[in-house]
Amino acid sequence: EAGVAQSPRYKIIEKRQSVAFWCNPISGHATLYWYQQILGQGPKLLIQFQNNGVVDDSQLPKDRFSAERLKGVDSTLKIQPAKLEDSAVYLCASSLQGEDNQPQHFGDGTRLSIL
Amino acid sequence: AQSVAQPEDQVNVAEGNPLTVKCTYSVSGNPYLFWYVQYPNRGLQFLLKYITGDNLVKGSYGFEAEFNKSQTSFHLKKPSALVSDSALYFCAVRLPFAGGYNKLIFGAGTRLAVHP
Repeated sequence: EAGVAQSPRYKIIEKRQSVAFWCNPISGHATLYWYQQILGQGPKLLIQFQNNGVVDDSQLPKDRFSAERLKGVDSTLKIQPAKLEDSAVYLCASSLQGEDNQPQHFGDGTRLSIL
Repeated sequence: AQSVAQPEDQVNVAEGNPLTVKCTYSVSGNPYLFWYVQYPNRGLQFLLKYITGDNLVKGSYGFEAEFNKSQTSFHLKKPSALVSDSALYFCAVRLPFAGGYNKLIFGAGTRLAVHP
């Protein structure tokens, strides 16, 4: 089966600019996750969708970050405006169901550098 | 606070020797525990999980992990290391979340270096 697809792979922007990331989960996976992975740290969950509804966005900095999953498939994560501390790898993952003990499948991520 | 700890930033082992990557957790209730591996410029790949039952769990690429409830540990092991096992390893615990949906809390990661 095709894996989780993310684009772009790399992005370099200046602080205060805007950026958007795209994710296409594995077909049939109802649950989609966005993680932030800062260098030297483990991934931190930003937001979790079940189909097109948000079930956890408690760690999403809502003053600058937004995410949507309009048709319950693809998702976009946006940062506006970006800050230096947003430099990180943004990982998208998906799983069959959020409640199950099914593992999450990760994309290769988008590496964001803020100048 | 609920957390996952990986006490070693890096583990060095010679090829052919056994390896252990340590993980301890601090959560309430009975957690689900996972190990993931990350190769350079790639996403995380699932290795194995403990949900319930036998404390020794076998996973991909010859890896296994032992769940120890009294020590709140879930150490990753492999009897004979390969150079290709060199990567970043993450331990994670799944917590219950209000509303019924679970989320993963990851440790900071341990870099495994296997030398020829």
